[in-house]
Amino acid sequence: NAGVTQTPKFRVLKTGQSMTLLCAQDMNHEYMYWYRQDPGMGLRLIHYSVGEGTTAKGEVPDGYNVSRLKKQNFLLGLESAAPSQTSVYFCASSTPRVSGSYNEQFFGPGTRLTVL
Amino acid sequence: GENVEQHPSTLSVQEGDSAVIKCTYSDSASNYFPWYKQELGKRPQLIIDIRSNVGEKKDQRIAVTLNKTAKHFSLHITETQPEDSAVYFCAATSKGDSWGKLQFGAGTQVVVTP
Repeated sequence: NAGVTQTPKFRVLKTGQSMTLLCAQDMNHEYMYWYRQDPGMGLRLIHYSVGEGTTAKGEVPDGYNVSRLKKQNFLLGLESAAPSQTSVYFCASSTPRVSGSYNEQFFGPGTRLTVL
Repeated sequence: GENVEQHPSTLSVQEGDSAVIKCTYSDSASNYFPWYKQELGKRPQLIIDIRSNVGEKKDQRIAVTLNKTAKHFSLHITETQPEDSAVYFCAATSKGDSWGKLQFGAGTQVVVTP
């Protein structure tokens, strides 16, 4: 099993350009998450999905859109990139939380994005 | 919402010594506290977690303690080794959160010097 994979690994954009980051998981997980990681700020949740066709906003959703057309894929889009979106982006997935259970989030390898 | 504060931001220890990282949380309904380790250029990986009905949990050289009254939890690494050098993140999730969303601390850079 590949686990959680992300493409691309690196990308440089100019201000105003658009791009899509792809996250794929082969663990049949229902839940998927997009985080951004900035120095000194930990991991902050951008958007998440609790199942195919569903998405919800996290802590820092502005400037991003997401889609979950297939259970195994979760896409993160930047319509008009800004320098403030320079960051490392991590995708994660987990099984559903049911009463009394707590489930590990498995992370992808990350995408390093620079916006000039 | 939940707010998690983590201290210190950097920690240097001699090989063989112990390292302690402390996190405080704001939501008294939080009941699950995982710790993730992130090596340089790698993805975060779960190393240990604790639930609110437990006060302490150990796994070889690492342990986590939880004080629900004071709303803080700590990671203890004993007999540190160079491979323990990494960034460590604490996190918390609330009992009322059905989707398992985690609130992360800012991270602690641990450097183990030989």
